[in-house]
Amino acid sequence: SYELTQPPSVSVSPGQTASITCSGDKLGDKFAWWYQQKPGQSPVLVIYKDNKRPSGIPERFSGSNSGDTATLTIRGTQAMDEADYYCQAWDSSTVVFGGGTKLTVL
Amino acid sequence: QVQLQQSGPGLVKASQTLSLTCAISGDSVSSTSAAWNWIRQSPSRGLEWLGRTYYRSKWYNDYAVSVKSRVTINPDTSKNQFSLQLNSVTPEDTAVYYCARDRDSDLDYWGQGTLVTVSS
Repeated sequence: SYELTQPPSVSVSPGQTASITCSGDKLGDKFAWWYQQKPGQSPVLVIYKDNKRPSGIPERFSGSNSGDTATLTIRGTQAMDEADYYCQAWDSSTVVFGGGTKLTVL
Repeated sequence: QVQLQQSGPGLVKASQTLSLTCAISGDSVSSTSAAWNWIRQSPSRGLEWLGRTYYRSKWYNDYAVSVKSRVTINPDTSKNQFSLQLNSVTPEDTAVYYCARDRDSDLDYWGQGTLVTVSS
C-alpha cells in the first residue's frame, strides 16, 4: 500500500518560514493536498492539488511537489499557524494520509 | 455553504456495529460532481480514510483495504445524508469519526467529528 511520511515535528520562530515535507514513492507524479488541524477541531484544507489555495486561506501558505517530496511552506509564520499538518494523496481511488507534523511556533 | 452534521452514538460495545450518519446541507448526496467520505482519527492510527460513496449515473463505493470486510457506506437520498456502518468492532476502532465531501478529489468540507468509544 502507498505510504506518506512526514516529520513528527517542526519548530519555527514567529515571522520566519516553516517548511513541512511529505515523502512518498514518486509522489510528484500524483497531486498532494495539505490539511491544518487545531486541537479539538476538524481538519481544514489549506492546499489542494500541490499548490492551490482554497478561498479564505492566507497567501502565506504555499505548496510544491516534485520527485518524491511535497512541501508545505508557511512564510511569515504566525502564532495562529501552530497546529498539526497532514499531507494527503490519492492512490488507486483511495485516500492516503501522512502521519502528521506538529508545527510549533516559538 | 456546505455543512455536514454528524449524528450517532458515542459508545458501542465490542463485537457490535458502529453506525453514524452525516446529514448534508448546501449540496446533494446525489451530486455527480461530489463524493461522500468517512475518515477516522486515533492517536495510534492517525487520520485513516475508510471509504466513500458517490453517484455517477449509478451508485459506487470505494473502501479502504484495512476495513473493506467490515464497512458499508450508504446514501439516503430521501434525507440527503449518508451513513457509515462498521461491523464487529473492537477497542481498536475507538476513534473520532469524520464525514467529509470530496469535490474533484478535494476533501473540502468536513463534519464536526464524533468520538466513538468501543467498550470491551
